[in-house]
Amino acid sequence: TQLLEQSPQFLSIQEGENLTVYCNSSSVFSSLQWYRQEPGEGPVLLVTVVTGGEVKKLKRLTFQFGDARKDSSLHITAAQPGDTGLYLCAGERTSGSRLTFGEGTQLTVNP
Amino acid sequence: DVKVTQSSRYLVKRTGEKVFLECVQDMDHENMFWYRQDPGLGLRLIYFSYDVKMKEKGDIPEGYSVSREKKERFSLILESASTNQTSMYLCASSLWAHRPNTEAFFGQGTRLTVV
Repeated sequence: TQLLEQSPQFLSIQEGENLTVYCNSSSVFSSLQWYRQEPGEGPVLLVTVVTGGEVKKLKRLTFQFGDARKDSSLHITAAQPGDTGLYLCAGERTSGSRLTFGEGTQLTVNP
Repeated sequence: DVKVTQSSRYLVKRTGEKVFLECVQDMDHENMFWYRQDPGLGLRLIYFSYDVKMKEKGDIPEGYSVSREKKERFSLILESASTNQTSMYLCASSLWAHRPNTEAFFGQGTRLTVV
């Protein structure tokens, strides 16, 4: 059983559409990170959220940490082909502990 | 920029062979990690190390061992490769041991095929 469950697992959309990816757990996390992985490369950190209810924006990407710190979402506005990649959420159960990764959401944005 | 370098992008090995995957980081990071990545399963932690000569088992250590003789180098060893170890292997490092919200920096991955 995955500690962190991501949905959807696959998402294929047209350029200009909006989308939301979810990362859910029954456990509380002290922090949650979102990574993006492009083909043939390792994951790269996009953002870390720490406080329940926190919202962070990175250009067209909006990240939210749930009030109870059990879930998170990533919303992309006006998706572009360059957003294509595998999006991974990763949680830290207690401060300073190792990361637990979700299964990932494979996003394809078609021109 | 932090650089984490894995020695090979692609490897093909035979069943029963002893396999070494090497990882080097150039930013004096304390923590180093080995993950395997399989479709639908995400990244699963094999082993990690908080310091030289120190190692701890992750979630799936069976069939693997590690070595950290120097701070910058973390090696993953498959004692006797099996076909179910065919996977993408990712090495990562992070700056502080036991500190919160620490970013993990990943290598480019080694795609290992065991035939």
